[in-house]
Amino acid sequence: SQTIHQWPATLVQPVGSPLSLECTVEGTSNPNLYWYRQAAGRGLQLLFYSVGIGQISSEVPQNLSASRPQDRQFILSSKKLLLSDSGFYLCAWSVILAGFSGSYEQYFGPGTRLTVT
Amino acid sequence: EDQVTQSPEALRLQEGESSSLNCSYTVSGLRGLFWYRQDPGKGPEFLFTLYSAGEEKEKERLKATLTKKESFLHITAPKPEDSATYLCAVQKPNSGGYQKVTFGIGTKLQVIP
Repeated sequence: SQTIHQWPATLVQPVGSPLSLECTVEGTSNPNLYWYRQAAGRGLQLLFYSVGIGQISSEVPQNLSASRPQDRQFILSSKKLLLSDSGFYLCAWSVILAGFSGSYEQYFGPGTRLTVT
Repeated sequence: EDQVTQSPEALRLQEGESSSLNCSYTVSGLRGLFWYRQDPGKGPEFLFTLYSAGEEKEKERLKATLTKKESFLHITAPKPEDSATYLCAVQKPNSGGYQKVTFGIGTKLQVIP
């Protein structure tokens, strides 16, 4: 069965400090990977998605970047955190089957609660 | 622009009191509609995918239905452990090689013993 891990679970960082959040998926190959941010009272906001190693697309211009160094590893980074970067960060995966034109549900990790002070 | 609106924002039920959550959507080329459950401080847990109007899916006390403009999540005889935020999301193809998903804000359900 597939499992998705995120760490750390919680993080408190001062403004201007760097950030690195990691996500790994087990039990599947070549997944699509996603980073979302969830703020109180707002829906999940897609930040980045990746359809393969080294392939990153950004949905929203921001202070963050993402990388995918390995097939099942997805990293969210920042060089200098802003107060507005605080939130609940979620990694998700889905699998695209060749020739399948249906929908592809996304499966989420446990999340990282980031507080920027 | 794709939109997903969930109502009510919050719902408080007595244990055993059945009710429904609503998810209305506007999206062109709907590929699927998802329901998730999210407990406080945790990631969303996938519940159902609905593909076409008229489709229904059931899981324990939950039943999801879909029309051309909205979906309902019916909760029959809820228990306190059903307390959570329920998220609705719609998916459509995207030229970027992935299926774009738009989420609603969710309905926070509290079931009182």
